[in-house]
Amino acid sequence: DVKVTQSSRYLVKRTGEKVFLECVQDMDHENMFWYRQDPGLGLRLIYFSYDVKMKEKGDIPEGYSVSREKKERFSLILESASTNQTSMYLCASTSGWAPGDEKLFFGSGTQLSVL
Amino acid sequence: QKEVEQNSGPLSVPEGAIASLNCTYSDRGSQSFFWYRQYSGKSPELIMFIYSNGDKEDGRFTAQLNKASQYVSLLIRDSQPSDSATYLCAVILNTGNQFYFGTGTSLTVIP
Repeated sequence: DVKVTQSSRYLVKRTGEKVFLECVQDMDHENMFWYRQDPGLGLRLIYFSYDVKMKEKGDIPEGYSVSREKKERFSLILESASTNQTSMYLCASTSGWAPGDEKLFFGSGTQLSVL
Repeated sequence: QKEVEQNSGPLSVPEGAIASLNCTYSDRGSQSFFWYRQYSGKSPELIMFIYSNGDKEDGRFTAQLNKASQYVSLLIRDSQPSDSATYLCAVILNTGNQFYFGTGTSLTVIP
């Protein structure tokens, strides 16, 4: 079974802290994604990566950075957390873009609260 | 115009009825379409995908795609209380390397 693991289910941080959200997948997937999900706004793409050390900005990259040093691990970094970054963060992965490959598998999510 | 649009609901149906969920998309060249189910407090899980015009059936679920009308729908037959969730429509646009999600439709199945 496909497994995408996010390191924390709940996280509480203070404004201005540097925050690391970790995601690991065990399927040897090329593509990994970070989304945030807010009520009424749906899933919004922050960053994605299609290979080790490669990254692309999504729709809302401001205030975030990412790191992909190994194929299985994709980290999201909040450089200086702010209250408007309080959200559910979802990591996902997929093996490719050919029909049949593009099924997106999600981790269980990290509910981040910034106080 | 958003890339993918869904009615947010909430949609309520009685147990045993057919639930019909709808989604429209903006990119006429889109090729791949997905339905995800998300229970409250959980992450989305894939329940259906469709690539060709017409219907695709999997158990109680049927996905319908009409590329000419840029419309994809999900029918849930014999709805059960366990089907109560938010259903997310997702599309890969013609540009090919991103999923675009609708904001989801909340479904409640009333026993």
